Amino acid sequence: DGGITQSPKYLFRKEGQNVTLSCEQNLNHDAMYWYRQDPGQGLRLIYYSQIVNDFQKGDIAEGYSVSREKKESFPLTVTSAQKNPTAFYLCASSLGLYSNQPQHFGDGTRLSIL
Amino acid sequence: DAKTTQPPSMDCAEGRAANLPCNHSTISGNEYVYWYRQIHSQGPQYIIHGLKNNETNEMASLIITEDRKSSTLILPHATLRDTAVYYCIVRVVNAGGTSYGKLTFGQGTILTVHP
Repeated sequence: DGGITQSPKYLFRKEGQNVTLSCEQNLNHDAMYWYRQDPGQGLRLIYYSQIVNDFQKGDIAEGYSVSREKKESFPLTVTSAQKNPTAFYLCASSLGLYSNQPQHFGDGTRLSIL
Repeated sequence: DAKTTQPPSMDCAEGRAANLPCNHSTISGNEYVYWYRQIHSQGPQYIIHGLKNNETNEMASLIITEDRKSSTLILPHATLRDTAVYYCIVRVVNAGGTSYGKLTFGQGTILTVHP
């Protein structure tokens, strides 16, 4: 079945540590996205990518980094510069950045601080 | 993107139709209406989307008023598994040039389906 796989489901970070969240899709989508969701709040866009080797900052990119070396993969690194990283992280993909076709989401990674 | 207004919560009896309203009075001509739902601790699930015509798929129907200022998501026969937060989102699609219309999730409607 086609879909978006995020791993791990739960992740714990120590102070000063960088951690990387994985996102893989087999939908042959060009565009991919990372969102953050805090309790009781909507999703906020961290980074997005239109195509391989290209990505743009979203609304809350500070303290995060991404790469897009392969079409199907869009990993997110939460760096030690992100002072409040505890959140639910969601990866999404769509046919294209400017298409009216919907974004489809993975099941998320919940990050907590030790 | 246009702002949407949804009721914070709604109830529905199992087996009955659930009608979830959304107001988007400032929607512009190139903005689509999208509906997603999110069950606790899972990623949002796409339900349906439309521009100005009514749409139906295997999950739901979307009714958009003629002036496009509001819409209603209809789940024809709600089940307990439809209990979730439902988000109505309007998004500009290719506003011109390289303008990217992002998805903006608000607070949504908590739909509770009871036996």
